[in-house]
Amino acid sequence: EAAVTQSPRNKVAVTGGKVTLSCNQTNNHNNMYWYRQDTGHGLRLIHYSYGAGSTEKGDIPDGYKASRPSQENFSLILELATPSQTSVYFCASGGQASYEQYFGPGTRLTVL
Amino acid sequence: GMPVEQNPPALSLYEGAESGLRCNFSTTMKGVQWFQQNHRGRLITLFYLAQGTKENGRLKSTFNSKERYSTLHIKDAQLEDSGTYFCAVVGMGYKLTFGTGTSLLVDP
Repeated sequence: EAAVTQSPRNKVAVTGGKVTLSCNQTNNHNNMYWYRQDTGHGLRLIHYSYGAGSTEKGDIPDGYKASRPSQENFSLILELATPSQTSVYFCASGGQASYEQYFGPGTRLTVL
Repeated sequence: GMPVEQNPPALSLYEGAESGLRCNFSTTMKGVQWFQQNHRGRLITLFYLAQGTKENGRLKSTFNSKERYSTLHIKDAQLEDSGTYFCAVVGMGYKLTFGTGTSLLVDP
């Protein structure tokens, strides 16, 4: 069964609304990551976490918050969604014995 | 993160052909992860390397941290190999920095 799951898989939101994207992993990994993918950019790191209660800013954190309430769960929060945040969002988990990351299936977010 | 350059940006092959993709980076990295992104958008890990060379069927990858590059070689290309290939390098803090990808089309 899938070790990194994301919900929802698709989301349409309105400008100014609040959006929460959720990620769950059963790999028992300490590290979790949120990326976004836009055409021509590959994936870019938004926020990451080294364990429950910790969040760190990635390369493009503006307009996003993150929450890591437990080892298994990592959320990405858009308090005031804007059309520029229309993208595909990927969550990943990784351990500390290896640098390899394991990715979820992605969430397609459209902000109208 | 620091830029990661992938070449070529796009590649077209006939079935049975072979070719190499290259990933260049500007500083010493701890490892590289290669992905194929299929038509459904799912990221499939092909290889993770901290050093040296790995081979899996028709795919082979090398990682040279000192010379700051990694390669992915595809032989006997098949239609299902079509997709976008990304390399991502491991820097400080277990973070991945992705390249912009190589779009591969395999024609019959």
